[in-house]
Amino acid sequence: KAGVTQTPRYLIKTRGQQVTLSCSPISGHRSVSWYQQTPGQGLQFLFEYFSETQRNKGNFPGRFSGRQFSNSRSEMNVSTLELGDSALYLCASSVTGNEKLFFGSGTQLSVL
Amino acid sequence: AQKITQTQPGMFVQEKEAVTLDCTYDTSDPSYGLFWYKQPSSGEMIFLIYQGSYDQQNATEGRYSLNFQKARKSANLVISASQLGDSAMYFCAMREAWGTGFQKLVFGTGTRLLVSP
Repeated sequence: KAGVTQTPRYLIKTRGQQVTLSCSPISGHRSVSWYQQTPGQGLQFLFEYFSETQRNKGNFPGRFSGRQFSNSRSEMNVSTLELGDSALYLCASSVTGNEKLFFGSGTQLSVL
Repeated sequence: AQKITQTQPGMFVQEKEAVTLDCTYDTSDPSYGLFWYKQPSSGEMIFLIYQGSYDQQNATEGRYSLNFQKARKSANLVISASQLGDSAMYFCAMREAWGTGFQKLVFGTGTRLLVSP
């Protein structure tokens, strides 16, 4: 059974650009959540989707958005990138959101 | 507000010895779940073990066990017979409202474990 797949693995962008990250959950998992990991702030919750609906959102500006498709795949978008957005973005999935999370390897975003 | 505290930035242990990684938590919710994840240098967060707040017995998963002391609000991870491959960052995390589908994990700052030969 394939794990959580995140693409791309690495991404380099410049300030002001926008970026889209992709996450394919484990087959059968309908809940997908996103986390940002930085050396300064640690791991912080971004948002969670279940059956194409955002159920929960962390304390991030509106530049951070996401969506989930009918096949449970999810994307997150960051617009008007800032230097502080440089981070490892981790995606996690579970069947309904009520079980342990399985994480992907993350997308390392560098904003120059 | 929920909070996870890991007071050990780094720990050293020799191969085949046991090691305990500390975790304390704070929550006012009677229903919660506690997790430990391992993050090797590759970046992936690997689930190790979980404990529900209503579980009577301490959780165990192979070489991993969780020393759950509810009154003291601690959930320490014990790794028995350490292996070189255990060298990684270890994160304690908590999810409130366990059982309701409200999925948000709060993580501690992590403990870097180094296993020496």
